[in-house]
Amino acid sequence: DQQVKQNSPSLSVQEGRISILNCDYTNSMFDYFLWYKKYPAEGPTFLISISSIKDKNEDGRFTVFLNKSAKHLSLHIVPSQPGDSAVYFCAASVVNSGNTPLVFGKGTRLSVIA
Amino acid sequence: GAGVSQSPRYKVAKRGQDVALRCDPISGHVSLFWYQQALGQGPEFLTYFQNEAQLDKSGLPSDRFFAERPEGSVSTLKIQRTQQEDSAVYLCASSLGGPSYEQYFGPGTRLTVT
Repeated sequence: DQQVKQNSPSLSVQEGRISILNCDYTNSMFDYFLWYKKYPAEGPTFLISISSIKDKNEDGRFTVFLNKSAKHLSLHIVPSQPGDSAVYFCAASVVNSGNTPLVFGKGTRLSVIA
Repeated sequence: GAGVSQSPRYKVAKRGQDVALRCDPISGHVSLFWYQQALGQGPEFLTYFQNEAQLDKSGLPSDRFFAERPEGSVSTLKIQRTQQEDSAVYLCASSLGGPSYEQYFGPGTRLTVT
């Protein structure tokens, strides 16, 4: 039973447009969410995170939105650049009652077309 | 200022062989994690160390898997009597804090069991 779901295995976006990557979760105890980016033959690298006390966190071109009632978060990249082409993983954890290991989704492969 | 390093990067083992995978975390990071990433999946948690103490090994798939971090720095993941289903990328990550904090990943070891 997958607790973190990324239902789109792939996404193609034109350079300069907005990329929106989605993530759903089932465990209502999750209170901390992260996005990781992965290039081929490299380990995932941390991109941005959000705590459940917030509904938005922004860092440059990257914004993460959290909708707790829908158990949904999304990562917006604007404007998209060819260097953003990678696999993006959503991850979740419980911090407030035990600091549990990260649970990852299956990833979404983003292709930004020049 | 080196990141997390892992060796070997690639390992081919015959079914039934034992393998040992090494992880060198970022200097000063007290927490170390091992993940298994099968093809087309996200990383799945295996085990977690805080310094030399193994605090969580709930993700280890069988008693053929064993991890150690005897001096609180370098860690080794050992798989005994490898099976074909053990074929995956094994990722190591380290962090300054607990499991939910930003984790820095190594490039992984791709294990192929033939």
